[in-house]
Amino acid sequence: GAVVSQHPSWVICKSGTSVKIECRSLDFQATTMFWYRQFPKQSLMLMATSNEGSKATYEQGVEKDKFLINHASLTLSTLTVTSAHPEDSSFYICSASWGGGELFFGEGSRLTVL
Amino acid sequence: SQKIEQNSEALNIQEGKTATLTCNYTNYSPAYLQWYRQDPGRGPVFLLLIRENEKEKRKERLKVTFDTTLKQSLFHITASQPADSATYLCALGLYNFNKFYFGSGTKLNVKP
Repeated sequence: GAVVSQHPSWVICKSGTSVKIECRSLDFQATTMFWYRQFPKQSLMLMATSNEGSKATYEQGVEKDKFLINHASLTLSTLTVTSAHPEDSSFYICSASWGGGELFFGEGSRLTVL
Repeated sequence: SQKIEQNSEALNIQEGKTATLTCNYTNYSPAYLQWYRQDPGRGPVFLLLIRENEKEKRKERLKVTFDTTLKQSLFHITASQPADSATYLCALGLYNFNKFYFGSGTKLNVKP
């Protein structure tokens, strides 16, 4: 149990386009979902926290207009990278929590912006 | 400033030995601390959670200690195996399970 599915696992796009990444909790209702960004050999950087039906809370330094997060239901959150640029290339990982303390992570999405 | 520090150098040990990884933090007051395993190109996998009022937690070959005075957690893997080779991340959880912050991880290499 406690499976989080993230899609797509990798995506290549041209500079200036937008990319949407989906995060689904398959067998539990996620009261909170988190989006992280990870650079090679570096820590997971929390980007934003989202609760179902409400606006996401963004960490300091994260542009909310660039990284649009929607948490439409208790099982689905999406991250849209708008007008992507090469510096947005990274590994994006979502995680979900049912409120019990542990996080369940998706497999991550590798974004490459050309 | 707030920091979560894990040894950035890889830890190399021989199979069968005990691996000990360290997580130190400053300017946080975590309600609990977690350890995760991450394999290359994959999302982290939850291993153990220890709360601020707990000193030690065990799960099979894993043991975690949490010292809120020293602001440190130690993560032990006993009878280590090559399959234990991975990067191990500690994460601090704030009250209400509302936010989680991760250390940069320590890479463990267990040699046969």
